[in-house]
Amino acid sequence: KAGVTQTPRYLIKTRGQQVTLSCSPISGHRSVSWYQQTPGQGLQFLFEYFSETQRNKGNFPGRFSGRQFSNSRSEMNVSTLELGDSALYLCASSKQGAVGEKLFFGSGTQLSVL
Amino acid sequence: GQNIDQPTEMTATEGAIVQINCTYQTSGFNGLFWYQQHAGEAPTFLSYNVLDGLEEKGRFSSFLSRSKGYSYLLLKELQMKDSASYLCAVTPRGGSYIPTFGRGTSLIVHP
Repeated sequence: KAGVTQTPRYLIKTRGQQVTLSCSPISGHRSVSWYQQTPGQGLQFLFEYFSETQRNKGNFPGRFSGRQFSNSRSEMNVSTLELGDSALYLCASSKQGAVGEKLFFGSGTQLSVL
Repeated sequence: GQNIDQPTEMTATEGAIVQINCTYQTSGFNGLFWYQQHAGEAPTFLSYNVLDGLEEKGRFSSFLSRSKGYSYLLLKELQMKDSASYLCAVTPRGGSYIPTFGRGTSLIVHP
């Protein structure tokens, strides 16, 4: 069974640009969450999608957005990039997104903003 | 809200035992996860504790005290491959199931 796949693995952008990251969850998993990971802040929750609907949202500005397709694949978009957006962006999937369900993470997209 | 605290870094010797602590303060608590993350890799699930007590899985054990807001991950017979970051995450009771992660503990195992 294939794991969670994130593309691209590395990305370099400049301030003001926008970026789109992609995540393919494990087959049969309907919940997809996105996290931002930085050395100083650890993993911070961005948003969660379930059946193409955003079900939960973290405390990030509106520049961060996402969506989920009917096959459960998800994308997140960051517009007007800032230097502080440099981070590892992790996607995680689970079957139903229920309490206590373990998350399966992808290897992440390392975004560098210059 | 939730506040989770774990040590930033720990070092230990191959073959030894190490205990990584995690304390939390939360308005509502359901359970606590431990994940392992090797450098440059995805976090992987280690354990999920809901009830008080110790749960053992091979060389790894996880303990929870709900009344004290305290958990620890115990690693026995340390191996070099155990060098990784260990993430503690708390899940709330009711409503959103989204776990809140601590900043992680970087464990360095040396020969």
